[in-house]
Amino acid sequence: QKEVEQNSGPLSVPEGAIASLNCTYSDRVSQSFFWYRQYSGKSPELIMSIYSNGDKEDGRFTAQLNKASQYVSLLIRDSQPSDSATYLCAVTNTGNQFYFGTGTSLTVIP
Amino acid sequence: DGGITQSPKYLFRKEGQNVTLSCEQNLNHDAMYWYRQDPGQGLRLIYYSQIVNDFQKGDIAEGYSVSREKKESFPLTVTSAQKNPTAFYLCASSQGSMNTEAFFGQGTRLTVV
Repeated sequence: QKEVEQNSGPLSVPEGAIASLNCTYSDRVSQSFFWYRQYSGKSPELIMSIYSNGDKEDGRFTAQLNKASQYVSLLIRDSQPSDSATYLCAVTNTGNQFYFGTGTSLTVIP
Repeated sequence: DGGITQSPKYLFRKEGQNVTLSCEQNLNHDAMYWYRQDPGQGLRLIYYSQIVNDFQKGDIAEGYSVSREKKESFPLTVTSAQKNPTAFYLCASSQGSMNTEAFFGQGTRLTVV
């Protein structure tokens, strides 16, 4: 069973819309949760971290965590063409190992 | 500037050769990680190290070796035993304590020729 699962997409949204990315994880004792953005041919870039249940907002990005449902999501408001990338969900366990999902490809259509 | 530096950016290996990928960080991070990424795939953990002179195997350690002689450095050797080494290799580091983020170097793209 995979540790972290994401819908691979591709997800397409029009410019200015809200993009919603979802992630589930299998280890109930997972500690920390992250969203990374990866442009084609580049390394992942951290965009959000969330450690407790609820919502965390940073600019156009909102991360949502529900530990009871083992679910973490990322909302991107007012999506821009520059948001087109693959978004990786990551989860750490008690040993501080980072486990990554396979990523969701997002395309924002101008 | 603080950060993680991987070198080289591109590397070509002949069949049967060992190659070493460099990873250096000046963030004073305790933990360092090596991941492999294949096209259309997520990141798979090869090795990780929480402190100097100690490291643990990840999910796909076979055919790879590492050392952690200095806090700043975590080189990865891809040995000839790794039968399918062509991939994008990513080094990351973190403070190593709970609720801390991992940051990545720019990656090394290894191709077997």
